Amino acid sequence: AQSVTQLDSQVPVFEEAPVELRCNYSSSVSVYLFWYVQYPNQGLQLLLKYLSGSTLVKGINGFEAEFNKSQTSFHLRKPSVHISDTAEYFCAVTLDSNYQLIWGAGTKLIIKP
Amino acid sequence: KAGVTQTPRYLIKTRGQQVTLSCSPISGHRSVSWYQQTPGQGLQFLFEYFSETQRNKGNFPGRFSGRQFSNSRSEMNVSTLELGDSALYLCASRGADTQYFGPGTRLTVL
Repeated sequence: AQSVTQLDSQVPVFEEAPVELRCNYSSSVSVYLFWYVQYPNQGLQLLLKYLSGSTLVKGINGFEAEFNKSQTSFHLRKPSVHISDTAEYFCAVTLDSNYQLIWGAGTKLIIKP
Repeated sequence: KAGVTQTPRYLIKTRGQQVTLSCSPISGHRSVSWYQQTPGQGLQFLFEYFSETQRNKGNFPGRFSGRQFSNSRSEMNVSTLELGDSALYLCASRGADTQYFGPGTRLTVL
């Protein structure tokens, strides 16, 4: 069965500093990978996705993620965070033949001024 | 295109009551999924409907049910509400390989 692990429940970082949010998954078959962001009191917004092709995926708001098949990881990065990036970030995986999303527990990104 | 809409946005009910939540997907999307989000359990899949048929179901009791109409709008119903049903209920419509989420309905059970 597939599972997703987000290793950090919270990540505090200073404004304008770089950040990496970690995501590892387990699956014996091909998967699609997603990062979603949830701002306070809102729904989930798609940041980026990996379906196939280039392993470096660029998303909205300056975020990018790299798919690493050998390490079964899909870490999210941003070179310089802003106070508006304060939110909870969720990693999710789905099989390419089944679109039911399996979710990580989420990582709260806390921006320190 | 308009995004996914969910109504109502907030709801307060008492134990034992039932509730119906509504979701209108993005125009042209035929798949609608429902998720429950709580601080303790995180995001959990409830069910998915495609062309009016339930295609997948998560591990929730039979008190949770849903349906989809011919215009792809979907409703979910929770009967005999329990305190633990307090949650944010999210609806997502799927286009191609991606799910797009609505703002959610915040249900509080007193």
